[in-house]
Amino acid sequence: DAKTTQPPSMDCAEGRAANLPCNHSTISGNEYVYWYRQIHSQGPQYIIHGLKNNETNEMASLIITEDRKSSTLILPHATLRDTAVYYCIVMGWSGGGADGLTFGKGTHLIIQP
Amino acid sequence: AAGVIQSPRHLIKEKRETATLKCYPIPRHDTVYWYQQGPGQDPQFLISFYEKMQSDKGSIPDRFSAQQFSDYHSELNMSSLELGDSALYFCASSPLAGVDTQYFGPGTRLTVL
Repeated sequence: DAKTTQPPSMDCAEGRAANLPCNHSTISGNEYVYWYRQIHSQGPQYIIHGLKNNETNEMASLIITEDRKSSTLILPHATLRDTAVYYCIVMGWSGGGADGLTFGKGTHLIIQP
Repeated sequence: AAGVIQSPRHLIKEKRETATLKCYPIPRHDTVYWYQQGPGQDPQFLISFYEKMQSDKGSIPDRFSAQQFSDYHSELNMSSLELGDSALYFCASSPLAGVDTQYFGPGTRLTVL
């Protein structure tokens, strides 16, 4: 699976959009970009994933560049409860298997009141 | 909605003892994953099961073993416990048909004294 690079920490004001970048320059054609987050000591929580098109769900939006070498997770209206470590993970389609996730260092997002 | 259930939530053991952690996946999820998260570290994949067969293996020590039962619940058995095994242990499950999104449980905090 391709390696990802994320800034170690970011701040965002409550109510503003939080934009979390991720570089994955070695991503291959069949690899997806997944985002998870972990609020202190809780189980990681799935947020969103995509292959090449931009995706949106009730939690966030995922913007993937046309060359797929980077992506941005957008939390449109950040709240204090969004303070967490955000992980960008690239993995290939397992074809029905059960591949483990490789968590990198992630970005510690701190929402300021 | 039903979530992944892990038991016990907290466990204290002495060095060289054994421990068994249990995981009950979300109903109709046939795939289970185990992760270990040491203090101040990121989650690390240990092992996974798909349809009761071992599917993927990460950095699981030889002292650890796991299995998935006919009702899809899974148990992680740890023997000859060491101080360094003190960690949060997360179980995750994913639904049928090889969907890779993983849903994590609340974790078991193991303390080895």
